[in-house]
Amino acid sequence: EAGVTQSPTHLIKTRGQQATLRCSPISGHTSVYWYQQALGLGLQFLLWYDEGEERNRGNFPPRFSGRQFPNYSSELNVNALELEDSALYLCASSLRFTKGGYTFGSGTRLTVV
Amino acid sequence: KNEVEQSPQNLTAQEGEFITINCSYSVGISALHWLQQHPGGGIVSLFMLSSGKKKHGRLIATINIQEKHSSLHITASHPRDSAVYICAVAIIQGAQKLVFGQGTRLTINP
Repeated sequence: EAGVTQSPTHLIKTRGQQATLRCSPISGHTSVYWYQQALGLGLQFLLWYDEGEERNRGNFPPRFSGRQFPNYSSELNVNALELEDSALYLCASSLRFTKGGYTFGSGTRLTVV
Repeated sequence: KNEVEQSPQNLTAQEGEFITINCSYSVGISALHWLQQHPGGGIVSLFMLSSGKKKHGRLIATINIQEKHSSLHITASHPRDSAVYICAVAIIQGAQKLVFGQGTRLTINP
């Protein structure tokens, strides 16, 4: 069975541009979570989508947004990129009411220059 | 105080040594995950634990729910084990999400 897939693996953007990151959950999972690991920091919760709806949001500006598609895949969009948005973005998926079972992608490394 | 604390933050050892990385948490959890991140690389899931102990190759993970503590052990460590090891807990109060520790940077010298 395929794991959580994220694309692209690496992304380089210029300050002020928009970045789009993609995540496909494993089959049967309806929830998708996004996390950010900025340089020198731990992984911080960004967004949680389930059944096409945003269920929870971390302490990030509105420049960070996303959506979930009917096939449960998800996009994370970062608008008006700033240098400090350079980070690893990790996607995870789970059942809607998980008992702690999360499956992780390998991450997308975004570099803003 | 962070909900998840890892120790040590940095660990350097010689090849062949037995390694222990600790994770303590202060919230109720349904499960705990151990992840591995190589320099410049992505995240790899190692274990998910809700009780007891799991073993995979040279890696062993244990959890004590009553003491809110987990350990990751590496036997016969090798330079390729050099990575950041991250503990993450699935909390059961409030919104469904994971909370991550800050990570332990392990360096194994040949």
